[in-house]
Amino acid sequence: DTEVTQTPKHLVMGMTNKKSLKCEQHMGHRAMYWYKQKAKKPPELMFVYSYEKLSINESVPSRFSPECPNSSLLNLHLHALQPEDSALYLCASSQPTSGIHEQYFGPGTRLTVT
Amino acid sequence: AQSVTQLDSQVPVFEEAPVELRCNYSSSVSVYLFWYVQYPNQGLQLLLKYLSGSTLVKGINGFEAEFNKSQTSFHLRKPSVHISDTAEYFCAVTRSNTGNQFYFGTGTSLTVIP
Repeated sequence: DTEVTQTPKHLVMGMTNKKSLKCEQHMGHRAMYWYKQKAKKPPELMFVYSYEKLSINESVPSRFSPECPNSSLLNLHLHALQPEDSALYLCASSQPTSGIHEQYFGPGTRLTVT
Repeated sequence: AQSVTQLDSQVPVFEEAPVELRCNYSSSVSVYLFWYVQYPNQGLQLLLKYLSGSTLVKGINGFEAEFNKSQTSFHLRKPSVHISDTAEYFCAVTRSNTGNQFYFGTGTSLTVIP
């Protein structure tokens, strides 16, 4: 199984809402990532978890809060977002110790902030 | 520091014609190189990767790429494109001594014309 799943597929939220994005993988990968992608642009790295610990935070605003409850799950909690946060949010995973460093991406959550 | 340059932001090509998408990188250390494809409203899918060994790498869907260390390039080629190849293509680099952080190029939008 080389699949990364993300829920929901689409999310519309107001600026005062609190919501969460979820990501799951069952490949035994110990590194998981959140990316933000605007239209026609490459993915921008937001967070990296390695062995369930936050290892990289690319100066992301505090209205985005990541959580890694276990080695298979990754959440992104959203609160008080701005319209410019509307984007495709991609989750990815990789195995940092295998020597094969490709990242496997999920289908993404299309977020619209109104 | 790493950087990845995809010189062509848009490449139109007729169906069954050959195509080359260019990627150049800069790095002071050894790197791993990847090409990903993104179809509309989907996540990124790995096309091929270069880790070591033969500089000519074959991937899925008939694509191949050649690693050229002296020119720091990793161009993607396909001898005969199909309509279904219309998508966004991203070149990515990661350092061989970490593997966790990807550096993406700005992407090339390939449009196959019937």
